[in-house]
Amino acid sequence: KAGVTQTPRYLIKTRGQQVTLSCSPISGHRSVSWYQQTPGQGLQFLFEYFSETQRNKGNFPGRFSGRQFSNSRSEMNVSTLELGDSALYLCASSLTGVTDTQYFGPGTRLTVL
Amino acid sequence: GENVEQHPSTLSVQEGDSAVIKCTYSDSASNYFPWYKQELGKRPQLIIDIRSNVGEKKDQRIAVTLNKTAKHFSLHITETQPEDSAVYFCAASKNSGGSNYKLTFGKGTLLTVNP
Repeated sequence: KAGVTQTPRYLIKTRGQQVTLSCSPISGHRSVSWYQQTPGQGLQFLFEYFSETQRNKGNFPGRFSGRQFSNSRSEMNVSTLELGDSALYLCASSLTGVTDTQYFGPGTRLTVL
Repeated sequence: GENVEQHPSTLSVQEGDSAVIKCTYSDSASNYFPWYKQELGKRPQLIIDIRSNVGEKKDQRIAVTLNKTAKHFSLHITETQPEDSAVYFCAASKNSGGSNYKLTFGKGTLLTVNP
């Protein structure tokens, strides 16, 4: 079956702008989690959605938000971009949640200038 | 919240040697410990995981051990091969009362296997 896909793969924005990233999970998976990966901080949990509801949230400011649609596809939004938001944003899907096998997407590389 | 520390940050071994990566966690309620492998430019992939009701799990050349009392778990790779070269991440989470919690990762270990 098809793997997790993310769009776009690369994005360049300037400070103050906002951005929306998209994640399509593996068919049948109802849980989608989002992570930020940077060289300094490693992989950090942003939030997890299950059946259109946010179940868990990491320690990120309110500028980071997300949602999940009825088909389990998920989007995350970052408003008022800062230079420090430059990172690889990964989503992962699983059947039941983060304590189940998670399958990662290829990521979206966001560069904020 | 949960804190996961991972050591070493870099590890270089000769092909055929064993490699061991260690992680400690802070939340005694954590009960799920996965290990991910991320090759350069690729997505993380789950290689093995362990739950707190077992002390050891093996899958071919890879094994994970868990010491709940000391709150640490380790990844063991035997007979290393050049294709084992990658960044390895440990993580911890808990599933309690039917609820899932966030997944907390260690900072990663860059493993280099020299031919």
